[in-house]
Amino acid sequence: VQLVESGGGLIQPGGSLRLSCAASGFTVSSNYMSWVRQAPGKGLEWVSTIYGGGPTYYADSVKGRFTISRDNSKNMLFLQMNSLRAEDTAVYYCARDVVSDLSGTDIWGQGTMVTVSS
Amino acid sequence: DIQLTQSPSFLSASVGDRVTISCRASQGITFYLAWYQQKPGKAPKLLISHASTLQSGVPSRFSGSGSGTEFTLTISSLQPEDFATYYCQQLNNYPRFTFGPGTQVEIK
Repeated sequence: VQLVESGGGLIQPGGSLRLSCAASGFTVSSNYMSWVRQAPGKGLEWVSTIYGGGPTYYADSVKGRFTISRDNSKNMLFLQMNSLRAEDTAVYYCARDVVSDLSGTDIWGQGTMVTVSS
Repeated sequence: DIQLTQSPSFLSASVGDRVTISCRASQGITFYLAWYQQKPGKAPKLLISHASTLQSGVPSRFSGSGSGTEFTLTISSLQPEDFATYYCQQLNNYPRFTFGPGTQVEIK
């Protein structure tokens, strides 16, 4: 059971980037999946969550700029990030939430670094 | 949004010490609180759910308590591998969960 992120890198302010997260050992479509980020030297910040076919949720700081999605056939999760700002610089983690009993986030990827700078 | 505060933000302790970290919520969250351990360059690891339920494989020296707005993570006898940053997380208004600012535990 694991998650592996990719797609991070250096991008100029105002640019776009798409993060990917490949899941193995479980199905993304049957779980609540989230993106959590961590700015350098800072704490953890929830970014976005998606479940199955439907509802998506976003932190106010990224609403209207980021889009979470998944590809069930590939068992993958994505985060499309547009209009990037310097304050979006962070390690982005893909994660699985245990929602049946709200016990927490039990599986995390290794993270992918996004640096927004000119 | 529900805010979480942690205290202390930093603590220096020796191997074998008993360590206590507090987490306070800005409003009642019943027992929907989790604790994580994060080591440098690594992803967080879920230690405790529902304020006091130890996850499988987590050493019994870790324990959690509390409900409502006040929560505590205790390490009964600090081991070298426990030096890390610890975060609390509230799930009461999932999916808009929030994390505390973290407590860094360093070697004295």
